[in-house]
Amino acid sequence: NAGVMQNPRHLVRRRGQEARLRCSPMKGHSHVYWYRQLPEEGLKFMVYLQKENIIDESGMPKERFSAEFPKEGPSILRIQQVVRGDSAAYFCASSPPNNGNQPQHFGDGTRLSIL
Amino acid sequence: DQQVKQNSPSLSVQEGRISILNCDYTNSMFDYFLWYKKYPAEGPTFLISISSIKDKNEDGRFTVFLNKSAKHLSLHIVPSQPGDSAVYFCAATYFNQFYFGTGTSLTVIP
Repeated sequence: NAGVMQNPRHLVRRRGQEARLRCSPMKGHSHVYWYRQLPEEGLKFMVYLQKENIIDESGMPKERFSAEFPKEGPSILRIQQVVRGDSAAYFCASSPPNNGNQPQHFGDGTRLSIL
Repeated sequence: DQQVKQNSPSLSVQEGRISILNCDYTNSMFDYFLWYKKYPAEGPTFLISISSIKDKNEDGRFTVFLNKSAKHLSLHIVPSQPGDSAVYFCAATYFNQFYFGTGTSLTVIP
């Protein structure tokens, strides 16, 4: 299956710990997007990356959150010193290069729970 | 600033009838519009799209209409089926930037 793969599907952390969420885009896709969905809310854009470059991080909280998409390997969304409010579903989507008018394809998300 | 809005959080429709989901946007730069369907505990799945140069696109039971002057997008599902019960997100894009609405939860009643 060449779909967008996210892992882990579920992640439990205690307050103050670090959370690392991974996303492998679809084969041939070089654009990666991260979204957060809080309970009872819609998808909120966080960051848009291409290989080794952050294109738009306007939706990222200024502190504790970072993202990367290295030349090799998956994209990583990293949350340091997690707090209860970080509990949410985090979705990754990918799209091909020179996107034109092509849809994003989503993974099934990582559900982060903070104890 | 919410550039894409879905003002109806929920909608209930009888099986076999038409479901109409609405979406409004504010940015005239958007050139491509999409609808996604999402089941609980899964990621959104692409459903149908439309380019800004068109006003209608049809795919089986699903039709998307675009009214650029009103900055309004709608998704018609006919006939509606119980399996269509899900959350539907509209999205708009330009220059590889995607903007999503907050979703409408559709319930199709058997």
